[in-house]
Amino acid sequence: EAQVTQNPRYLITVTGKKLTVTCSQNMNHEYMSWYRQDPGLGLRQIYYSMNVEVTDKGDVPEGYKVSRKEKRNFPLILESPSPNQTSLYFCASSLSWGGGDTQYFGPGTRLTVL
Amino acid sequence: GNSVTQMEGPVTLSEEAFLTINCTYTATGYPSLFWYVQYPGEGLQLLLKATKADDKGSNKGFEATYRKETTSFHLEKGSVQVSDSAVYFCALSDRWDSSASKIIFGSGTRLSIRP
Repeated sequence: EAQVTQNPRYLITVTGKKLTVTCSQNMNHEYMSWYRQDPGLGLRQIYYSMNVEVTDKGDVPEGYKVSRKEKRNFPLILESPSPNQTSLYFCASSLSWGGGDTQYFGPGTRLTVL
Repeated sequence: GNSVTQMEGPVTLSEEAFLTINCTYTATGYPSLFWYVQYPGEGLQLLLKATKADDKGSNKGFEATYRKETTSFHLEKGSVQVSDSAVYFCALSDRWDSSASKIIFGSGTRLSIRP
C-alpha cells in the first residue's frame, strides 16, 4: 500500500531534550516536506527537500533540522525543543516538484513540549 | 508573495444542504490550486485540484472552478452528508515562486453536518 508513515504518533517531552520524528514514504517520491498545524494558522511549511541531499527552509524553520540521506526517509530533528514547538506535525511527499503534483500526507505526530 | 484566504469556520449545515466554502488567492505566477480534506484524527488527503484557469476539479460530489479573473477557487457541493464533516483546506502551489514556501495552505474551514 502506498503510504507515508510517521513515528511516533504522539510524544510528550520536556524542554531541551533532543528528539527525532521519523518520516518514510514507499512511493519513490522525490519531494518531501514537513508542516506544522496550529489552530487558526493552517499548515505552515517547516522544511522541504526536492531530492536526496537537497533540503531547504520553508516558512518556519527556526528550531528544526532535517536530513535527506535516502530518498524514502526525511526525519525532523528538534535539537532543543521548546514549548512553542508544541504542535501537530505532518510529513508529506509528492512525485516531484511539478507545481500540480498531489501531496500525500502522513497521519501526523502530536508533540507536546512541557 | 503568494497567499491563500479561505472562509472562516466553523460551518454547520443540515444534511442535504448546499455547501460553499470560499477561497481566494494572491499569486504572481500561474499556480495550481487544491482542496484538501482532513477527517478527524487523520492527515490531509487530496479532494480535488485544478492546474490552470477555467479548469474544474471534481470528486465525491464536490466541485471547484479555477477562476483567474476573480482569483478564486470556491468549493461547492449540492447535497452534503454527515460523512462530509471534516476540515477543508484550500492550497496553492507555484513552482516558480521565489519565496521560501512553494506550497501555501489556507487556515482551514471546519465543516459539521447535522443529521
